[in-house]
Amino acid sequence: QVQLQESGPGLVKPSQTLSLTCTVSGGSVSSGGYYWSWIRQPAGKGLEWIGRVYPSGSTNYNPSLNSRVTISVDTSKNQFSLKLSFLTAADTAVYYCARVTETTFSDWFDPWGQGTLVTVSS
Amino acid sequence: DIQMTQSPSSLSASVGDRVTITCRASQSISTYLIWYQQKPGKAPKLLIYAASNLQSGVPSRFSGSGSGTDFTLTISSLQPEDFATYCCQQSYSLPWTFGQGTKVDIK
Repeated sequence: QVQLQESGPGLVKPSQTLSLTCTVSGGSVSSGGYYWSWIRQPAGKGLEWIGRVYPSGSTNYNPSLNSRVTISVDTSKNQFSLKLSFLTAADTAVYYCARVTETTFSDWFDPWGQGTLVTVSS
Repeated sequence: DIQMTQSPSSLSASVGDRVTITCRASQSISTYLIWYQQKPGKAPKLLIYAASNLQSGVPSRFSGSGSGTDFTLTISSLQPEDFATYCCQQSYSLPWTFGQGTKVDIK
């Protein structure tokens, strides 16, 4: 059974860069038919898709964050990572990583990591 | 971006009630619609994909329907473990977007 676990700092200063890693166990980031995503959720608010990375390293980002986001995959470590730069208080949220099943009739997030709270504050 | 709007934003119901939640897309998304359940402090859990396909292991009291712009999640007989927030997501075009959620609490 595939499991995902986020790791990274819980507190980051404004204007700095957030770096989070998602470690995949019970499966491979190189598996066909899947790609890997980051999603975030500010307290009391809805979910926001940040971006995705394929096993090949190909990426797509949410245009609302496009210039600040980098997502990468490390197949040797079975991990994928998120970097978000120029942080502000508005980036405070729970950050989730997820595996995405890609089909011709839908893409869906499952499973998800447990989430990690990131607070942007000086 | 495709906007996803859920209604109601919250509802109160009793165990055994039939509950219906609606999700409307700002443009046609065919059946590229997914439903999740989220409990406080937990990650979302996949319930239904492609508008009406029940994820393995999800109780059959959950069902989904719709196509185009209007979709429905139905819980046929609400159970104590179903009190949670439910949200929809479109996977028709990037960026993937989510509804704001519908909180189901105890009446």
